[in-house]
Amino acid sequence: EFVLTQSPATLSLSPGETATLSCRASQSVGNQLAWYQHKPGQAPRLLIYDTSKRATGIPARFSGSGSGTDFTLTVSSLGPEDVAVYYCLAVSFGGGTKVEMK
Amino acid sequence: EVKLMESGGGLVQPGGSLRLSCIASGLNFNTYGMSWVRQAPGKGLEWISGLSDSGDGTFYSASVKGRFVISRDNSRNTLFLQMNSLRGDDTAIYYCAKDSDPDIRGYFDLWGQGALVIVSS
Repeated sequence: EFVLTQSPATLSLSPGETATLSCRASQSVGNQLAWYQHKPGQAPRLLIYDTSKRATGIPARFSGSGSGTDFTLTVSSLGPEDVAVYYCLAVSFGGGTKVEMK
Repeated sequence: EVKLMESGGGLVQPGGSLRLSCIASGLNFNTYGMSWVRQAPGKGLEWISGLSDSGDGTFYSASVKGRFVISRDNSRNTLFLQMNSLRGDDTAIYYCAKDSDPDIRGYFDLWGQGALVIVSS
């Protein structure tokens, strides 16, 4: 069974800091991985596809990297608007990382 | 305006059936893969089904395979999800999502607002 494991479950950071989110696949997905941002009461939003390509309208503060089984989403200059749950997706969604503001 | 709009959600008894619809507007519907993603209360996102642009390729998660059927009518710009043998753990918000590709890739660049399905007696 294919599994995506995200860590940490919760990330609590101060404004202006950098969030580093991890996603690990149980088997290689090449570079076929996407990242989504999901805020309460809203539809999810595509941030990154093909591991590192930003979706239309996504600011450069969001960047993705990795390959094979280990992937990272980096969100720099964190602001209140970035408070959300972030999911990686390849075949199935990871469990999500909740980003909170201190 | 480019948008997706789901309909057909509601309250259904365990073992019952429900059909969700998703109407697309402002886009060339027949050139994109489409999917259904759900979120149960207090849980994360779950990709449950996908369908390629022509309908040749399909995807079902293990949790719904054999109970749910995805289909599309490109002449009406509409995606469907027929849900049978519903269970309590199918209670969720169901989102319709457009892929950025004709195939089912999981790169959903447009989402509907969601339809709530509650399975309860």
